Amino acid sequence: TQLLEQSPQFLSIQEGENLTVYCNSSSVFSSLQWYRQEPGEGPVLLVTVVTGGEVKKLKRLTFQFGDARKDSSLHITAAQTGDTGLYLCAGELGTSGSRLTFGEGTQLTVNP
Amino acid sequence: DAGITQSPRHKVTETGTPVTLRCHQTENHRYMYWYRQDPGHGLRLIHYSYGVKDTDKGEVSDGYSVSRSKTEDFLLTLESATSSQTSVYFCAIRGFDEQFFGPGTRLTVL
Repeated sequence: TQLLEQSPQFLSIQEGENLTVYCNSSSVFSSLQWYRQEPGEGPVLLVTVVTGGEVKKLKRLTFQFGDARKDSSLHITAAQTGDTGLYLCAGELGTSGSRLTFGEGTQLTVNP
Repeated sequence: DAGITQSPRHKVTETGTPVTLRCHQTENHRYMYWYRQDPGHGLRLIHYSYGVKDTDKGEVSDGYSVSRSKTEDFLLTLESATSSQTSVYFCAIRGFDEQFFGPGTRLTVL
C-alpha cells in the first residue's frame, strides 16, 4: 500500500486547459514537496509546503497543503507544452530522519 | 547543478552477478540516499546514509547493501543481481529543505 496516493496517474490535455493533481494520505506530514521530472533526468524540486492550509504560487502553478497536513494539490492554469513531465509529490514524516516518501507520480502530457 | 554524479549511467548484467553503482557528490552533504524508480511506484527508498559509515535501510532494502567510507561517495551493491532489480536507480543528497537528485543509472538484469 502506497503511503501517498497520487491521482490521476496519467493526464493528457490540450494546451490552454487547466488541471489539478492530487496527493492524499492518511498520515500527517511535517512537510510536503512537489518535484518535476523530465525523461532521462532526476526529479527537480518545484516547491516545499510546511504549514497546514499553506498556498504557494509559482507562475502558473499553485500548490496547496491541506489544513490537516495529510494532503496536497497542484493546480496548473493555462497549461503549456513545456509543462509536460512527471510530477511527484513527496512527504516527510516528523520522525523519518530526513526521509521522503514519494507518491506514484502523475505523467502529464500537454498537447499543442 | 548540485554536484552529484552517478556511474555507470547504463549497465546490462546477467542474473547472479554482483553489481556496484557509485554516487559521488562535491557538496559535502551529510545525508545521501539511494532510490529505485519503477513504473507505477514513483521513487522508493533503498538505503540512506547520515554520515560516514552510518547507514540505514529504506522500504525496499532486500537484496541491496551500501557503504559510505568517505563523505563524497555512497556505493550501492547488488550482491547477486536478479531480474526484479531491473530499474532506474537514483542517488540523492539532502540540501537545506530539499533533495537534489543525480542523473540516474539504468540497470538491466538479464
